[in-house]
Amino acid sequence: SYVLTQPPSVSVAPGQTARITCGGNKIGSTSVHWYQQKPGQAPVLVVYDDADRPSGIPERISGSKSGNTATLAISRVEAGDEADYYCQVWDSTTDHLNWVFGGGTKLTVL
Amino acid sequence: QLQLQESGPGLVKPSETLSLTCNVSGGSISTRSYYWGWIRQPPGKGLEWIGTIYYSGSTNYNPSLRSRVTISADTSKNHFSLKLDSVTAADTAVYYCATCAEWVGWFGPWGQGSLVTVSS
Repeated sequence: SYVLTQPPSVSVAPGQTARITCGGNKIGSTSVHWYQQKPGQAPVLVVYDDADRPSGIPERISGSKSGNTATLAISRVEAGDEADYYCQVWDSTTDHLNWVFGGGTKLTVL
Repeated sequence: QLQLQESGPGLVKPSETLSLTCNVSGGSISTRSYYWGWIRQPPGKGLEWIGTIYYSGSTNYNPSLRSRVTISADTSKNHFSLKLDSVTAADTAVYYCATCAEWVGWFGPWGQGSLVTVSS
């Protein structure tokens, strides 16, 4: 089945750019979505369809994809960006549908 | 505005069945082209998709849980439910319900989550 691989943790100083990757052998052929989850809260969508932002999500947060790796970038990182981030794809190419999440990346703001 | 809210026991004994309900307000679970799903998160761990039910009633389950999971819907009450059989401590998690429109593939909105602990 589909597997999405994320680094367990990323650390960045305030004001710098954080990059979180998501790898998978079918990423190149499907849309990747990203969620932010803060402690005790439900996940919140921050990027959909590889690079689009829902309303209310700051432009500092962006998504991109190259080959079989998707990347979530957060520029001018702030303390409030500290959270867990998850990538997700929807495998609808077979008769059996699957929603797959990456293992998650903890972003630490130094 | 669509809102989802999980409800159910917070404590389940090992080998018994975990049962949760997701009450939906601000929209109908019969709305064409929407999936209604369950996702769980063990303490300190990542998100795991459990399964979804389509507005038509068809279901899809995570292959790793398929043998133990049943998701059903009650359109008269506008809610959908999760049953997970033969639970163990490994099923202890926060269980979220969420919706996914067929044309987007991502989940949103989500419920606030319900912690279920499996313990004797």
